Amino acid sequence: AQSVTQPDIHITVSEGASLELRCNYSYGATPYLFWYVQSPGQGLQLLLKYFSGDTLVQGIKGFEAEFKRSQSSFNLRKPSVHWSDAAEYFCAVGAGGRRALTFGSGTRLQVQP
Amino acid sequence: DTGVSQNPRHKITKRGQNVTFRCDPISEHNRLYWYRQTLGQGPEFLTYFQNEAQLEKSRLLSDRFSAERPKGSFSTLEIQRTEQGDSAMYLCASSLDGEGSYGYTFGSGTRLTVV
Repeated sequence: AQSVTQPDIHITVSEGASLELRCNYSYGATPYLFWYVQSPGQGLQLLLKYFSGDTLVQGIKGFEAEFKRSQSSFNLRKPSVHWSDAAEYFCAVGAGGRRALTFGSGTRLQVQP
Repeated sequence: DTGVSQNPRHKITKRGQNVTFRCDPISEHNRLYWYRQTLGQGPEFLTYFQNEAQLEKSRLLSDRFSAERPKGSFSTLEIQRTEQGDSAMYLCASSLDGEGSYGYTFGSGTRLTVV
């Protein structure tokens, strides 16, 4: 069975600083990988996804993520964080023919002015 | 289309009562999913439908839980004899077939509080 680990429960960055959120997955083959963002009291919004091909994927809101098979990682990055990026971020993995996603426990991002 | 709609947004119920939640997916999406999210955790898969067929159920979905999707449109999730441990956010999502089926669109969720 697949699993996802987000090692950082809470991260605080200053507005304008760069951001990297870590995600490690466990799965025997090439997984499908996702990053979602959730604002308080809201559902989850898909930021980006990786299925195959170029290991650097671009998403919405200026986010990107890089798939590194050797490290079983799919870290999310943004060069310059905005106050509106404060939210909870979830990494997820889908595998095989199942449509169910396995989510990590999330990283809460705070942005300091 | 305004996206995935869930009703009600909040539900407070007494332990032992039955509750039912509704999800209206994006109209052209034939796949529908239910997830549960507790505080401080990521969503956990409960079940999913392709059209009206329920194709997969998680072990989290005990006998007190039942989900339906009549006619492949909206879906309902019923919890019978609610327990305090059922308190959570219940999220619905929908998607298309194919690789795009992994790119869910989530609703805003129904927050259940069992007192």
